[in-house]
Amino acid sequence: AQSVTQLGSHVSVSEGALVLLRCNYSSSVPPYLFWYVQYPNQGLQLLLKYTSAATLVKGINGFEAEFKKSETSFHLTKPSAHMRDAAEYFCAVSGTYAGGTSYGKLTFGQGTILTVHP
Amino acid sequence: DADVTQTPRNRITKTGKRIMLECSQTKGHDRMYWYRQDPGLGLRLIYYSFDVKDINKGEISDGYSVSRQAQAKFSLSLESAIPNQTALYFCATRDRESAEAFFGQGTRLTVV
Repeated sequence: AQSVTQLGSHVSVSEGALVLLRCNYSSSVPPYLFWYVQYPNQGLQLLLKYTSAATLVKGINGFEAEFKKSETSFHLTKPSAHMRDAAEYFCAVSGTYAGGTSYGKLTFGQGTILTVHP
Repeated sequence: DADVTQTPRNRITKTGKRIMLECSQTKGHDRMYWYRQDPGLGLRLIYYSFDVKDINKGEISDGYSVSRQAQAKFSLSLESAIPNQTALYFCATRDRESAEAFFGQGTRLTVV
């Protein structure tokens, strides 16, 4: 079984401030981990992914995330928020291919809405 | 053209009606998914398919059915729509090599 918990359904920051969106996962096999972003009235777009290579993963738009196995976490950060970062962010987990059918199931967290104030 | 296309984009239907949401893809991926999105609940998996002959139930399949007509087409049906099926529905494909999922623009369904 696998699951994702995103801590904080809403996060509000000032423009230029650090962005930290928290994600903890549960997986019975080594996981693949993802962060997706959803802008208003749009589908989901991949920000970054962890697929068992480097534990610090860099994505698009200046975002990065660190896989910490001991903490079962994959928190998303950005050093300096921009107004255009305002969106909803989703963390997701799936099993690695070696894990069989769990690879096919991509399980999402509840989402975190990021608001950026001028 | 979009790689993953959902039709219709918006639909209002009445309770008890049968409705089909369609999804087609040009990515060439064998894995396709249907999710529904509700505020505060994230995306929940309804059904997924690894190929034309392989259909699997997700977390919330009750009240829904699917058809994989071809590798590129995966349809979701609500046999008898009810108001709590009002939601935003997403179709997605998944690349077996990169593990990345690609989403359609979504179908906003309202059941009145």
